[in-house]
Amino acid sequence: AQSVAQPEDQVNVAEGNPLTVKCTYSVSGNPYLFWYVQYPNRGLQFLLKYITGDNLVKGSYGFEAEFNKSQTSFHLKKPSALVSDSALYFCAVRDRGLYNFNKFYFGSGTKLNVKP
Amino acid sequence: KAGVTQTPRYLIKTRGQQVTLSCSPISGHRSVSWYQQTPGQGLQFLFEYFSETQRNKGNFPGRFSGRQFSNSRSEMNVSTLELGDSALYLCASSSYTRRYTDTQYFGPGTRLTVL
Repeated sequence: AQSVAQPEDQVNVAEGNPLTVKCTYSVSGNPYLFWYVQYPNRGLQFLLKYITGDNLVKGSYGFEAEFNKSQTSFHLKKPSALVSDSALYFCAVRDRGLYNFNKFYFGSGTKLNVKP
Repeated sequence: KAGVTQTPRYLIKTRGQQVTLSCSPISGHRSVSWYQQTPGQGLQFLFEYFSETQRNKGNFPGRFSGRQFSNSRSEMNVSTLELGDSALYLCASSSYTRRYTDTQYFGPGTRLTVL
């Protein structure tokens, strides 16, 4: 079975400082991993995905994520946080079944607070 | 391209009623998935439709159903509403062309409140 875990309910960071939002995964086989962001009263916006290849994935709005197979992690990072980055962040893994690949499993979400 | 649209954005119903939510995918996308988001359970997969056929179903009771039309638009229906059905219902579409590398794009959601 596929699953992801986000160990931190909330992350607090000062504007201009680097930020990291953690995600670990448990899958059978190679993982297909995603990060989404949700602003209040909005749907999920796609940030980036890891399919294969480089372990450092670059995405939207200056975000990047580092895939680490040995630690089964896919942490979201940004070198310099903005107040506008404050939102709820979700890590997700795709099912690997032949016809189940549009079934995503989401983590519990991490609330990112960026203070001015 | 226009994004995924969902209507209505907000709904208030009472217990026992039924409700229908609508989702229009991104133009050219043929797969539509539905998710329920609640504070307690997080984001949970409801079902997926492709070519008017349900491909996958999550662990929800039969009161939750859906369908897809020939233009890929999808509806989901919840019958005999319960208080616990109050949630944000999210629809996502994908192209179904590259399968495992496809991205799911989400709509803004429908906020359902059951009184």
